[in-house]
Amino acid sequence: DGGITQSPKYLFRKEGQNVTLSCEQNLNHDAMYWYRQDPGQGLRLIYYSQIVNDFQKGDIAEGYSVSREKKESFPLTVTSAQKNPTAFYLCASSADKNTEAFFGQGTRLTVV
Amino acid sequence: LAKTTQPISMDSYEGQEVNITCSHNNIATNDYITWYQQFPSQGPRFIIQGYKTKVTNEVASLFIPADRKSSTLSLPRVSLSDTAVYYCLVGPGQDSASKIIFGSGTRLSIRP
Repeated sequence: DGGITQSPKYLFRKEGQNVTLSCEQNLNHDAMYWYRQDPGQGLRLIYYSQIVNDFQKGDIAEGYSVSREKKESFPLTVTSAQKNPTAFYLCASSADKNTEAFFGQGTRLTVV
Repeated sequence: LAKTTQPISMDSYEGQEVNITCSHNNIATNDYITWYQQFPSQGPRFIIQGYKTKVTNEVASLFIPADRKSSTLSLPRVSLSDTAVYYCLVGPGQDSASKIIFGSGTRLSIRP
């Protein structure tokens, strides 16, 4: 089946550790996105990528890093510099800027 | 990117028609209007997209007046399973980057 896959679904880390969240899509989409969602809030854009080997900061990029070495993969690293990393992280992809975005099921990260 | 304003929450009953209005006074000429639905702990799901007049699909209708400064998502005969958060998005406009920006959404609660 075509789709977008995030793993793992739940992730626990100790404070001060970097952690990488996986996002893979087999939809042949050029654009990919990472969002953060806190309880009861909307989605906030962390990073986005329009094509391979290119990405731009979103509204809340501080403390995060990404790479886009392959079209189908857009991993997000939550670094120790992110002050409040505990959140629900969503990855999405779209064919272009005017078409619908497809979302993964999300990764719930808890830092203790 | 045009800013959107929508009600924070709405309540309705099963079998009723629900209309959620979104204001986007600064919509640009080449902006599309897109609506997403999100259930708790899941990624948003595309509902409908339009540019002007009326668009209808199997789950909803989207009404856009001639000035395009607002839009209304219409959900016919809602059921309990329509309880979710609904997001109105406008873009990408003149921005060539493929950013997809979410607002705070409307929390719709359906009662028996």
